[in-house]
Order: sequence, then C-alpha cells, then structure tokens
Amino acid sequence: NAGVMQNPRHLVRRRGQEARLRCSPMKGHSHVYWYRQLPEEGLKFMVYLQKENIIDESGMPKERFSAEFPKEGPSILRIQQVVRGDSAAYFCASSPTLAGATGELFFGEGSRLTVL
Amino acid sequence: GQQVMQIPQYQHVQEGEDFTTYCNSSTTLSNIQWYKQRPGGHPVFLIQLVKSGEVKKQKRLTFQFGEAKKNSSLHITATQTTDVGTYFCAGPSGGSNYKLTFGKGTLLTVNP
Repeated sequence: NAGVMQNPRHLVRRRGQEARLRCSPMKGHSHVYWYRQLPEEGLKFMVYLQKENIIDESGMPKERFSAEFPKEGPSILRIQQVVRGDSAAYFCASSPTLAGATGELFFGEGSRLTVL
Repeated sequence: GQQVMQIPQYQHVQEGEDFTTYCNSSTTLSNIQWYKQRPGGHPVFLIQLVKSGEVKKQKRLTFQFGEAKKNSSLHITATQTTDVGTYFCAGPSGGSNYKLTFGKGTLLTVNP
C-alpha cells in the first residue's frame, strides 16, 4: 500500500515564477492537509481539503497561494509569483477519516521549494 | 493564538544515555501527538495521548500527558543512533484536530 506521494521532491524557482506541488493521498484516504515547514521550525497548517472541496484554508496566505483537490487526480498546492520567503518544505498529509478520530496524520516525503 | 513550546531545542547525547524532551501548551489540549522527523525526512506519527495523566510506552520510549493537559514529555531510555532526529509535539488548534499546532521540535543527536 503506497504511502502519500508528493512530487516534485525538490523544486527550484526564480522569483516571480509559479510553483505547483502535487500530492496523492494514501489509497482510501479522502482527507488531505497541507503543512509548511520553514528551516528549523515546526510545521504550520495551511489548508484542509476533501475531494472538490476546500474545508479550511485559514492557514493559507491570502495572496498568491491556492489549493485544490479535484475529483480526479492529485491535490495541488499552487504558489504564484514566488518570493524568497516561500522557500520551505511543503508537506502533504492524508487521513482516512477526519484527523482526530485515530489521531494519526500520514505525511508524504515533502516537496522542498527553493526560490532563487 | 495557541502556542506550543518545546525544550530543549537541541540535545546531544552519548549512545546509551537517556533523553527527555518537554512540551508545553499555552492552552488546555484535548489530545497531544508526537512525531519524529529524521534529517531530510518527513514527520512520522509516534503516538497520541488523550487522557489526563496518561502514560504510554513504546519499547524504550515513554510518553506522558500532564494532569492539566497542558504539558507532555517524551523520554527515551538508553538512546541508540537510530533515535537521531527531531521530535515534535503537536496539539489541535481551534477545536479542530486536523489543524495541529506543532512545537519547534527537539533535535536529538547521538554520538556512537
């Protein structure tokens, strides 16, 4: 049973370019969460999605960031017009039920974005 | 907003020594979770504590949840080189269990 799959693992962008990060949840998981980790920091919640629905995007910056989880295909975190401060590791997690019932979030390997 | 503090930030031990990391929340938590992240890796769930005063053991790891449900600790007995990594505690934020507030973690290094 494959785990949470994220790609790309590493992404380099110049300031002003767009970054697209993809996440396929574990099989049977319909809840997807995106977290951001700055160097030597803990993870910070960004957004929670179910298929075709954004449930909670309270942790997402209001500008330049968007997320989706279409009916078919992976969840995508999109960052437009990237700036150096966007350099971070972006982790996707999934759960079979709303996280908290079992407590466990299954994290992917992360996508490490570097903005030059 | 809710804050989760962890100490120490770094801990270096000799293999075989014990290790403890402490976690304190600014608010009472319904539960607390612990994750381990190896260098360059991703967070891996270790455990969830729910009850006041709860103690759980996983082989050499002992997890405690404080009586007031605002603090927690992770103790590793007789560390091994495989224990190297950053240990994070995390608590639910705003009544939502999926929206975890993570501490900054304790980076454990073990000298063989």
